[in-house]
Amino acid sequence: GAVVSQHPSRVICKSGTSVKIECRSLDFQATTMFWYRQFPKKSLMLMATSNEGSKATYEQGVEKDKFLINHASLTLSTLTVTSAHPEDSSFYICSAPLGWGQGVANYGYTFGSGTRLTVV
Amino acid sequence: AQTVTQSQPEMSVQEAETVTLSCTYDTSESDYYLFWYKQPPSRQMILVIRQEAYKQQNATENRFSVNFQKAAKSFSLKISDSQLGDAAMYFCAYRSATAGANSKLTFGKGITLSVRP
Repeated sequence: GAVVSQHPSRVICKSGTSVKIECRSLDFQATTMFWYRQFPKKSLMLMATSNEGSKATYEQGVEKDKFLINHASLTLSTLTVTSAHPEDSSFYICSAPLGWGQGVANYGYTFGSGTRLTVV
Repeated sequence: AQTVTQSQPEMSVQEAETVTLSCTYDTSESDYYLFWYKQPPSRQMILVIRQEAYKQQNATENRFSVNFQKAAKSFSLKISDSQLGDAAMYFCAYRSATAGANSKLTFGKGITLSVRP
């Protein structure tokens, strides 16, 4: 249980175009979704936190206009990389916190499988 | 703010041997949760083990166990009988127990573990 499905797993786009990454909670309601960026052999860097029904909270240094986050429902959060450039190429991961009564991972988190974005 | 420190960027272990991965953290809170996550080459984050700070007993999950030293703010992971499939990047992480059900994880920099056949 408590699965987050992330799509696409890989995407290649041309510089200047926009790309949308979706994260869906399949068997639970995710009121919050964390969005991370990860460079090779590095840790996960929190970009922003989305909350259903309200504006996302961005970490310092993250461009709000470039990384648009929408949490349209309790089961869907999206990250849109607008006007992508090669420096936006990275691995993006979403994660939802688990609360009480959500199986063995109580107090933990479930992660999407990640999206490898390549901007050419 | 809480911080998590993993000072060893890489470690190597012989198959079937035991290895310990170190993690220290800094917090002013008394109630929190600590995690070890594994990220294999597929890059899917996998929960290895979890420890509640209010529990004195060290958590154990099959070949994985932790040495939780609350006063020293240390949370090391021991992998026994290492297997080739244990090769991955391992992250130590902290979650506040008082910042709400949707509080964020604070990750360490991670350690790359290789297993020698």
